[in-house]
Amino acid sequence: GAVVSQHPSRVICKSGTSVKIECRSLDFQATTMFWYRQFPKKSLMLMATSNEGSKATYEQGVEKDKFLINHASLTLSTLTVTSAHPEDSSFYICSATTVIEAFFGQGTRLTVV
Amino acid sequence: AQSVTQLGSHVSVSEGALVLLRCNYSSSVPPYLFWYVQYPNQGLQLLLKYTSAATLVKGINGFEAEFKKSETSFHLTKPSAHMSDAAEYFCAVSEWNSGYALNFGKGTSLLVTP
Repeated sequence: GAVVSQHPSRVICKSGTSVKIECRSLDFQATTMFWYRQFPKKSLMLMATSNEGSKATYEQGVEKDKFLINHASLTLSTLTVTSAHPEDSSFYICSATTVIEAFFGQGTRLTVV
Repeated sequence: AQSVTQLGSHVSVSEGALVLLRCNYSSSVPPYLFWYVQYPNQGLQLLLKYTSAATLVKGINGFEAEFKKSETSFHLTKPSAHMSDAAEYFCAVSEWNSGYALNFGKGTSLLVTP
């Protein structure tokens, strides 16, 4: 199946700094990628839809100025958590879709201290 | 809007016993339905999917699920549990016109005991 690579897998940052998470589709082009957030023992929550060459579409309640999404190419989308705070600590997962299936990255464990 | 409900946040079975994880969906249009498995601190792996073809779907690792429109259900089963099946399982629904954005259930944690 198709491969989606997410980097980094783990990151620890200080409160107030920004963190960038990359999501790459390695062997296919993805015009649409999705970013999810997963709290401990909770399900995945869709944060935003990332469309190549256009602005991301954010779900209700997700701060677009805090979670900056850029989808500059058909194989790369980035999520930047700006001015991170401890409450932003979470597991972030991206997915990229082909015609009939979504493929997920391995996730990024963000810890803000 | 579509949604799924997973009954039972924790399921415990003995090794070799039947696995049954329940999922009911709600969708205003014919849905696409998925089951994913997640191991600790990892991403999601697709077990199987229903996309309006055969209602009985066979997936990887011996799992299968049956789409029942009359019951709005898509329960996941496996005849004989292995220790390696212990993980978190998520049911998800997507509508064809949503670009395959998935709405996930809350997940069911499967425990397999010796």
